[in-house]
Amino acid sequence: GAVVSQHPSRVICKSGTSVKIECRSLDFQATTMFWYRQFPKQSLMLMATSNEGSKATYEQGVEKDKFLINHASLTLSTLTVASAHPEDSSFYICSARDVGQGNTEAFFGQGTRLTVV
Amino acid sequence: AQKVTQAQTEISVVEKEDVTLDCVYETRDTTYYLFWYKQPPSGELVFLIRRNSFDEQNEISGRYSWNFQKSTSSFNFTITASQVVDSAVYFCALSGQNQGGKLIFGQGTELSVKP
Repeated sequence: GAVVSQHPSRVICKSGTSVKIECRSLDFQATTMFWYRQFPKQSLMLMATSNEGSKATYEQGVEKDKFLINHASLTLSTLTVASAHPEDSSFYICSARDVGQGNTEAFFGQGTRLTVV
Repeated sequence: AQKVTQAQTEISVVEKEDVTLDCVYETRDTTYYLFWYKQPPSGELVFLIRRNSFDEQNEISGRYSWNFQKSTSSFNFTITASQVVDSAVYFCALSGQNQGGKLIFGQGTELSVKP
């Protein structure tokens, strides 16, 4: 199956700093990637849809200036949490859609556990 | 609007018991996909199954089986002879044909299998 690699798996940062999370499709091209957030004991909520070469589409209530998404190539999307605060501590997970075969399935990365202290 | 409901927040069983996790969905799309994922404590999502809305055949994979019923908009998941390693949070998810691959997740069911 298709492989999506997400890095880092864990990060601890100080309040006010920015954190970048990478999501890579290793063996397929992904024109679309999705970023989800999961707070403890809760479900996964879609934050934004990232399209290669264009601006990301954010879900209602997600601050685009705080969660900066860049999808500059067909295999890489990045999520930058700008000026992170403790309330941004969460599990962030990306998924990438393999459009090469017309497949509608999206494959998930391993997730990144962000702790802001 | 699309919605997935997993009414069981937590389930606790003893090893070797059978357990069924319920999933009810809502969608106006005529073509859609249903998924089940397992999330162990490490956090990664483990893909279990994907079902096309036109395929109502039940599926069995080892100790896992799925019952898809469009008439009741349900896609239930049964684990037979549960094992401690089955302990995890299980998510049911829905993707409409025109959603481009994004998923709507249910609230998740935390399954605890005790020895």
